Amino acid sequence: NAGVMQNPRHLVRRRGQEARLRCSPMKGHSHVYWYRQLPEEGLKFMVYLQKENIIDESGMPKERFSAEFPKEGPSILRIQQVVRGDSAAYFCASSPRTGSYGYTFGSGTRLTVV
Amino acid sequence: EDKVVQSPLSLVVHEGDTVTLNCSYEVTNFRSLLWYKQEKKAPTFLFMLTSSGIEKKSGRLSSILDKKELFSILNITATQTGDSAIYLCAGLAQGGSEKLVFGKGTKLTVNP
Repeated sequence: NAGVMQNPRHLVRRRGQEARLRCSPMKGHSHVYWYRQLPEEGLKFMVYLQKENIIDESGMPKERFSAEFPKEGPSILRIQQVVRGDSAAYFCASSPRTGSYGYTFGSGTRLTVV
Repeated sequence: EDKVVQSPLSLVVHEGDTVTLNCSYEVTNFRSLLWYKQEKKAPTFLFMLTSSGIEKKSGRLSSILDKKELFSILNITATQTGDSAIYLCAGLAQGGSEKLVFGKGTKLTVNP
C-alpha cells in the first residue's frame, strides 16, 4: 500500500499562474481532505470530499480555489491566479469511512509563488 | 470559533529527559482529540482519544484526555534525538464534516 500520494512535491509558480495539486488517496479510502499549512502556523482545514461530492468546503477561500475528487483519478486542488500569500504547504489526507480513526496524510506539496 | 492551543510552542531537552506537551481545546460538538508527529514531511498519526481519563500508550509515548477541563497531554519518556519533531494536536467534532482543528504545534528538539 503506497499510502497517500501527492504530486508534485514542490511547485513554483509565478504570480497570476494556475497551480494544480494532485492527491491519490490510499487504496480503499474514499474520503479526501485538504489542509494548508502556512509558515509558523498549524494545519488549516480547507475542504472535505468524497467521490464526486464536496461535503464541506467551509475552509476554502471564496475565490480562486476549487477542489474536485472525480469518480476516476486523483483529487485535484486548483488555485487560479496565484498570489504570494498562497505560498504554503498543502497536505492531503484520506480515510476509509466517516467516523474512522485518524487520517493518513500525504507528504504534501510545497507551493512557492514568485 | 473552534480553537486548539498547544504549549509550549518550543521545547529543547537532552536525551533521556521526560517531556509533557499540553493541548487545550474548544471544539463545538467535540468527539475526539488526535495527536500527530510531524517531521519534515507528512504528519504521522500517534493517538486518538475519545474517552476521558483513559491513558493510551505506545512505547515511550502516552497520552490522556480530560473532557471536563478540555485538555490533553502527551508524555514522552526517555527522549531520544529521533523524537525531535513538531507535535500537533487536533480536535475532531461530531457530525458529517470530519474536519480537524489543529493547534500550531510544539516543536521539540532533543539534543544528544
